Amino acid sequence: ETGVTQSPTHLIKTRGQQVTLRCSSQSGHNTVSWYQQALGQGPQFIFQYYREEENGRGNFPPRFSGLQFPNYSSELNVNALELDDSALYLCASSRRDSSYNEQFFGPGTRLTVL
Amino acid sequence: DAKTTQPPSMDCAEGRAANLPCNHSTISGNEYVYWYRQIHSQGPQYIIHGLKNNETNEMASLIITEDRKSSTLILPHATLRDTAVYYCIVSGNTPLVFGKGTRLSVIA
Repeated sequence: ETGVTQSPTHLIKTRGQQVTLRCSSQSGHNTVSWYQQALGQGPQFIFQYYREEENGRGNFPPRFSGLQFPNYSSELNVNALELDDSALYLCASSRRDSSYNEQFFGPGTRLTVL
Repeated sequence: DAKTTQPPSMDCAEGRAANLPCNHSTISGNEYVYWYRQIHSQGPQYIIHGLKNNETNEMASLIITEDRKSSTLILPHATLRDTAVYYCIVSGNTPLVFGKGTRLSVIA
């Protein structure tokens, strides 16, 4: 069974640029959630994708967008990067048909915005 | 905002049981209690969850009070590798809301 993978592991961008982060979900999982974790804080929910559509969103502006593909992998796109976007970005996959919020997290992508 | 309250930090001697408390006095009837942990620089790891009955798996035990307003995660024989931030989360079919968790330090 393959776990959740994310790429790249680290990324450095400058303010105003755009970034795309990628996530491959665990085998058998059809739902992907994205989280942002600032230093010293718990992860914050960005949005969730199910059946290639956004299915729930946290308190993040529209410049944070995503995609889910037919193979359930997903992308997180952030436009017009700001310094405060520097964080660990986590992807988690789960089974939508499960009644439990049991999510499996990837190792994360560390984004630094200069 | 997180619906749970946890102590910011705890210490535990290696080999002893680690008992991590969590208060969730506003929990709703259809909400579960989940526990995750995050070892430094890694993604969170699911540990266990429960609704109202006590639960046990290969990692830990979860004790939920009868009124469901609090719970305790028990690591029966803590090892140095259990040093991590432990998050208690209350959730139904809604996104996980992480608080700041409890930083558990297991000491040799």
